Amino acid sequence: SQQGEEDPQALSIQEGENATMNCSYKTSINNLQWYRQNSGRGLVHLILIRSNEREKHSGRLRVTLDTSKKSSSLLITASRAADTASYFCATEDGGFKTIFGAGTRLFVKA
Amino acid sequence: EPEVTQTPSHQVTQMGQEVILRCVPISNHLYFYWYRQILGQKVEFLVSFYNNEISEKSEIFDDQFSVERPDGSNFTLKIRSTKLEDSAMYFCASSEMVAGLIEQYFGPGTRLTVT
Repeated sequence: SQQGEEDPQALSIQEGENATMNCSYKTSINNLQWYRQNSGRGLVHLILIRSNEREKHSGRLRVTLDTSKKSSSLLITASRAADTASYFCATEDGGFKTIFGAGTRLFVKA
Repeated sequence: EPEVTQTPSHQVTQMGQEVILRCVPISNHLYFYWYRQILGQKVEFLVSFYNNEISEKSEIFDDQFSVERPDGSNFTLKIRSTKLEDSAMYFCASSEMVAGLIEQYFGPGTRLTVT
């Protein structure tokens, strides 16, 4: 089974619109993290939400976590062309391993 | 701002050759990781390293792979006999505490091409 599956796989929106990406996972987690990856580049950590938290904000980012449904969402408000990237959720179960999902490719049209 | 660095940025090697990918983690970090990303696919965990030993490894990290912290600054990933399917981006990461309690900082990656 796969941990951390995002949907949609791809999302295309206009600049200024909000973008919502979802992530589902299968096992118990300590926390869930969201990362961004620009094409051909490394991963940039965006936000970490712990299993006892339900919502977290950072600038234009809002992350929610529903442990009963084993799901999380990442909302980017007032999107910009520079937000164009792939977004990954990643889970950690208390060990030394972080498991990434397949990612959502976001394209923001100027 | 401190950052994780990786060298080389691109490595081309022939099948069967040994390669060493190098990483310099952030200086006060204690936990080190290698991940790989085959083109167009998800980022896959390979191995974590703490206190000079492997903490956890995935099924991908077989006997062809090894990691080492040869000195106080470098963290290396060695592939003994490369295969075509080892072609991927390899990312190094480090963190102050165990992953999950605090964010991991990723390097820019090394693109490995096996021909």
